[in-house]
Amino acid sequence: QVQLVQSGAEVKKPGASVKVSCKASGYTFTRYDINWVRQATGQGLEWMGWMNPYSGNTGYAQKFQGRVTMTRSTSMSTAYMELSSLRSEDTAVYYCARGEASPDCSGGSCYFQDSWGQGTLVTVSS
Amino acid sequence: QPVLTQPPSVSAAPGQTVTISCSGSSSTIGNNYVSWHQQLPGTAPKLLIYENNKRPSGIPDRFSGSKSGTSATLGITGLQTGDEADYYCGTWDSSLSAFVFGTGTKVTVL
Repeated sequence: QVQLVQSGAEVKKPGASVKVSCKASGYTFTRYDINWVRQATGQGLEWMGWMNPYSGNTGYAQKFQGRVTMTRSTSMSTAYMELSSLRSEDTAVYYCARGEASPDCSGGSCYFQDSWGQGTLVTVSS
Repeated sequence: QPVLTQPPSVSAAPGQTVTISCSGSSSTIGNNYVSWHQQLPGTAPKLLIYENNKRPSGIPDRFSGSKSGTSATLGITGLQTGDEADYYCGTWDSSLSAFVFGTGTKVTVL
């Protein structure tokens, strides 16, 4: 079965960077995108971007452009999300999720996330 | 302002039916497909509906999705205590070239 297992909780100081990993199993890693989504305590889901593990191509939400980098290791079936210049507002649970779109879809994008990691709490505090 | 708007909360008694609306625009729901996720307390989201009205295997048919114009709706029939959760709609935003989630709706079983 599809599994996405993320790295453990992190505590960082303002201005630092954090790198979260997401190890995929149960499917061919390079066939599906990896999305990153974050959720501050008591708040909703916020999409950060996507990465195609086959090509390495990425697309980031405008809010995170210049601060986020999504990479992968195909040999380890692992995706990474690095967020820099951390501030207290970045304190949140970060999720990776497998993204896909049906090849039969027509009339618009049918992109969605079908499996999620367990989440990684990143706390930014001085 | 949020790109996709949902009611903050809905509630109903066990066995009843609830519907959750998701309001967007022509660049979001109007021209793209909608998915819905359920997030039980303290857990990761879980896909409930994709491509407006399709259910992944294992999702009971008590859950249904529909779309009309620039709005989408999630329906839950035969409400159970285990359905108490936050529910999020999501779709691609063609103007932003980004995926967007709704504001989320908390379902309470009375």
